[in-house]
Amino acid sequence: AQSVTQLDSQVPVFEEAPVELRCNYSSSVSVYLFWYVQYPNQGLQLLLKYLSGSTLVESINGFEAEFNKSQTSFHLRKPSVHISDTAEYFCAVRTGFQKLVFGTGTRLLVSP
Amino acid sequence: EAGVAQSPRYKIIEKRQSVAFWCNPISGHATLYWYQQILGQGPKLLIQFQNNGVVDDSQLPKDRFSAERLKGVDSTLKIQPAKLEDSAVYLCASSLYSRDKNTEAFFGQGTRLTVV
Repeated sequence: AQSVTQLDSQVPVFEEAPVELRCNYSSSVSVYLFWYVQYPNQGLQLLLKYLSGSTLVESINGFEAEFNKSQTSFHLRKPSVHISDTAEYFCAVRTGFQKLVFGTGTRLLVSP
Repeated sequence: EAGVAQSPRYKIIEKRQSVAFWCNPISGHATLYWYQQILGQGPKLLIQFQNNGVVDDSQLPKDRFSAERLKGVDSTLKIQPAKLEDSAVYLCASSLYSRDKNTEAFFGQGTRLTVV
C-alpha cells in the first residue's frame, strides 16, 4: 500500500525567503503525486500535480515541485514566499485505482 | 462550474447521538471520497465510491459509521452513535474516473463536527 511522509510538521520562514517543504512516498506501483493547500477554515485546494514525462511541475503562484523517482520524493519549493502563503500544505499520492492518500501536512508560517 | 457542496458546515452534538452529513459532488464525477481530518492531522480516507459501488472502505469504523451513494450522485455519511474522538472535519471530494490519467480530486468546504 502506498504511504506519504512529510517530515516537517511546521516550517517558519521570513517573507521573501526561499522555502522547501519535503515529501517522500512509498509505493510498489506507479503513482501520481499532488500538493494541496489548505487555508484556515477552508477546504483543500490543488496546488500542483505530477504529470508523467516532466519531472518539474509548476503552479500559477510561483510554487514548483520536482518528482525524483530514485529518491521517491516530491518536494515543494518556492524561491520567495509571501505572507499570504501561510497555510497548511499536504502532499498526496494516488495509484491507478484512485485511492488518494495524504501525508500529515506541513504548516508554513511566513512572518514579516 | 459548481464545486463540491457539503452540508451542514458545522455541527455540535452530544456523545451517543447520531449525525448525518450530506455531499453533492461535481456533476459528472463518478468517484466520490469521504475523508476524516482530525485537528493537526492529514485527511484520512474513510470510504471511496465509484458511481454507487464501494471501492475502498477499509478504514471506515463500520460499527458506528455508514455511508451510501444512492443513484451514484450525492452521498450521505452517518455516525451512530458518536464518540468524543469523532470530533473532526469531514471532507467530501469528487473526481472524474480514469484508471490511467492523472485526474485531481476536488474538495468541498467540509463539515466541522464537535462531539461534547
